[in-house]
Amino acid sequence: QKEVEQNSGPLSVPEGAIASLNCTYSDRGSQSFFWYRQYSGKSPELIMSIYSNGDKEDGRFTAQLNKASQYVSLLIRDSQPSDSATYLCAVKGNDMRFGAGTRLTVKP
Amino acid sequence: DTGVSQNPRHKITKRGQNVTFRCDPISEHNRLYWYRQTLGQGPEFLTYFQNEAQLEKSRLLSDRFSAERPKGSFSTLEIQRTEQGDSAMYLCASYEIGKFFGPGTRLTVL
Repeated sequence: QKEVEQNSGPLSVPEGAIASLNCTYSDRGSQSFFWYRQYSGKSPELIMSIYSNGDKEDGRFTAQLNKASQYVSLLIRDSQPSDSATYLCAVKGNDMRFGAGTRLTVKP
Repeated sequence: DTGVSQNPRHKITKRGQNVTFRCDPISEHNRLYWYRQTLGQGPEFLTYFQNEAQLEKSRLLSDRFSAERPKGSFSTLEIQRTEQGDSAMYLCASYEIGKFFGPGTRLTVL
């Protein structure tokens, strides 16, 4: 079992819709959770961090964490074509481990 | 621009040659990380420094890889006797809450 698992996609949503990205992790001792966005050929860019159970909102982005289920998600509201990228989930226990990413395509 | 810079941005080398990459982190960040990323995968941890001390090395880091961070400022990652399997994007990250990545060095080993 991989330490951090994501559906590789591609996930395709129409412009204006809500994109839902999911991530599960295996280390119950993990304390910090992050979402990164990575455009093709570029390095990852931190977009959200979450540390406690529940929801955290930042603009069009909402991160959700459920430690009991070892599950973290990212919702993108009013998706835009510029949101098309690979979204990486990262989980910090002793060190940060990344999932393989979910490729999101937002169609105009 | 995260404030983390890496040089060179691209490196093409022949198998068996040595290569060295440089990372200049955000100046006030004590922690510096090296990751490797191949196509379709997330970044894989290689090693990290707290100031000048190298505190952890991944099992992925063979003896051909060495990293330094003299004086706790910039860091270098050297790969000796490169192999085709070393072809990847090498990412440096500076740590504050989350990690801020540099633009990466794309290595191609022919």
